Amino acid sequence: SSELTQDPVVSVALGQTAKITCQGDSLTTYYASWYQQRPGQAPILVMAAKNKRPSGIPDRFSGSFSGDRASLTITGAQAEDEADYYCYSRDRTGDHVVFGGGTKLTVL
Amino acid sequence: QVQLVQSGAEMMKPGASVRVSCKASGYTFTGHDIHWVRQAPRQGLEWMGWINPNSGDTKYAQKFQGRVTMSRDTSISTAYMELRSLRSDDTAVYFCAREVVNSSSWEYDHWGQGTLVTVSS
Repeated sequence: SSELTQDPVVSVALGQTAKITCQGDSLTTYYASWYQQRPGQAPILVMAAKNKRPSGIPDRFSGSFSGDRASLTITGAQAEDEADYYCYSRDRTGDHVVFGGGTKLTVL
Repeated sequence: QVQLVQSGAEMMKPGASVRVSCKASGYTFTGHDIHWVRQAPRQGLEWMGWINPNSGDTKYAQKFQGRVTMSRDTSISTAYMELRSLRSDDTAVYFCAREVVNSSSWEYDHWGQGTLVTVSS
């Protein structure tokens, strides 16, 4: 099965821009989506495949991709954005799901 | 509105089996696959498998093959995940999630609240 690699920790100053990346071979075939998880809570979808932002998600969240890499960008990070972020995609067969290891975003 | 409501926390002995339920409401239950994802303490998300509520077809992660069974009861819009031969490292929060599909892209647009399963002697 494929793997998705994320940086374990990303730090950003309040109001600045944070970029969280996800790299994996399967991303050359399948789109990634992104989930935010705050402590003790279920994940929520913050960026759907094809970089579509779900309703209710602030427009400071945006997505992009290039080759085997997908990125989630938070422009003007807020304190409430501090959370774990996971990328999600499919493996090479398309039948199995793969998650990235997660990135802990710290807002300083 | 779409909701996935899971059963309550479970405390299990090693070697036992646990069944977690996920009751769907607010949409046509047979219209979307249900996936199960778990998260061990202080760890990341781990995909376990999915069930198609319409056909009953399932696909499991290789790690859980032979130990997990996913099922559904369409009459009550509920999906189930049974994990057998529990070990201490199965201690985790188990989530169900509804998958949406759009032209070869997938995502989970709704999640259950999670069910904590603790395995301890």
